[in-house]
Amino acid sequence: DQQVKQNSPSLSVQEGRISILNCDYTNSMFDYFLWYKKYPAEGPTFLISISSIKDKNEDGRFTVFLNKSAKHLSLHIVPSQPGDSAVYFCAIGGGFKTIFGAGTRLFVKA
Amino acid sequence: DADVTQTPRNRITKTGKRIMLECSQTKGHDRMYWYRQDPGLGLRLIYYSFDVKDINKGEISDGYSVSRQAQAKFSLSLESAIPNQTALYFCATSDPGTYNEQFFGPGTRLTVL
Repeated sequence: DQQVKQNSPSLSVQEGRISILNCDYTNSMFDYFLWYKKYPAEGPTFLISISSIKDKNEDGRFTVFLNKSAKHLSLHIVPSQPGDSAVYFCAIGGGFKTIFGAGTRLFVKA
Repeated sequence: DADVTQTPRNRITKTGKRIMLECSQTKGHDRMYWYRQDPGLGLRLIYYSFDVKDINKGEISDGYSVSRQAQAKFSLSLESAIPNQTALYFCATSDPGTYNEQFFGPGTRLTVL
């Protein structure tokens, strides 16, 4: 059973608009929640994270929201740019362990 | 130069062959990991190592073995490759003080015929 679910395999957004990527998790024991971005033929790269004691973290155009009661994590990208087109993985981490979701492919149309 | 490198980048092999995938890093991190990515399943942990003398199985270690030759080098072996090991393999490193952030290599695409 998947502990981290990204229910939308793909998302298409117009340039300049907001992209919202969602992630649900089942295990409450993890301390950190992360988003990674992956371009074709490259490895995932860390994008932004949030610890379990916060509900929001912002870094430029990227904001991560954590709703612990709902076990829900989201990534907002505002404004979206064509260069944001990639696969986005959410992940939950604690100690040595990180569990990844299956990814959401974001297309940002110019 | 890339901080985490993987060789080879692509490999096609036959069932029953022994394959080694290599990973090197210049980040100076003690922790290293091997993952595989399959469509619809995300990244799954095969093995991880916290230092040269500490190697641990991940969630899908059957059919794989690893060797940590030095702090900078972590190799993954498939002793007898089978078709369902066809996947994209990633090596990663991390520093224990950075919120589980991991640094990934570019990946090795392995096809077992």
